[in-house]
Amino acid sequence: DIQMTQSPSSLSASVGDRVAITCRASQNINKYLNWYRQQPGKAPELLIFAASNLQNGVPPRFSGSGSGTEFILTISSLQPEDSATYYCQQSHNGPPLTFGGGTKVVLK
Amino acid sequence: EVHMEESGGGLVKPGGSLRLSCATSGFTFNSYSMNWVRQAPGKGLEWVSSISHDTTYIFYADSVKGRFTVSRDNTKNVLFLEMDNLRAEDTGVYYCARDPGICDMTNCYEVFDKWGQGTRVAVSS
Repeated sequence: DIQMTQSPSSLSASVGDRVAITCRASQNINKYLNWYRQQPGKAPELLIFAASNLQNGVPPRFSGSGSGTEFILTISSLQPEDSATYYCQQSHNGPPLTFGGGTKVVLK
Repeated sequence: EVHMEESGGGLVKPGGSLRLSCATSGFTFNSYSMNWVRQAPGKGLEWVSSISHDTTYIFYADSVKGRFTVSRDNTKNVLFLEMDNLRAEDTGVYYCARDPGICDMTNCYEVFDKWGQGTRVAVSS
């Protein structure tokens, strides 16, 4: 199975900061990579699909890049509602559909 | 508006069974693949199972294969997860998630674009 590794596991940043989260795949997954945000006590929500495509309704401060084995989620200007845990998820060659371990973003 | 609501969770002893349901509305249920994703307390997300729109394709995580059965009723717009021989490690919140199968010019991508609020399952003696 394809393993997904996120870094850092947690970070602390201030409102307005630029934040970057990295996700690495154990093998080439082309662009089969999605990003989700999970706010405390809530269900996850889709932010980015196919590595770099912004889901409808998601603020443009979120962007995704990368292909192959390394991917980055960038938040250009951190907002209070972005205090959450972020997950990457791969779908290369179908199930199993594996998630990264998560990155917790805490506001200073 | 898309609405997805899980039910059927609860406390069960090891070796017991539960049947989860995910009632949906606001979209054409029989056009979408559906998934179950779970989250152990304080842990990350784990994909559990997928079922295609017409039940042709069904997949399970190795951790639940042979114990869990996914199904759907396209006449009632409901997704199910039958969980047998439950273990302590099955404890967590279970989410249903919709997969629209987004495609570009060359590829189709499995994504979870809508989620229910989750139902809690606790396996303990």
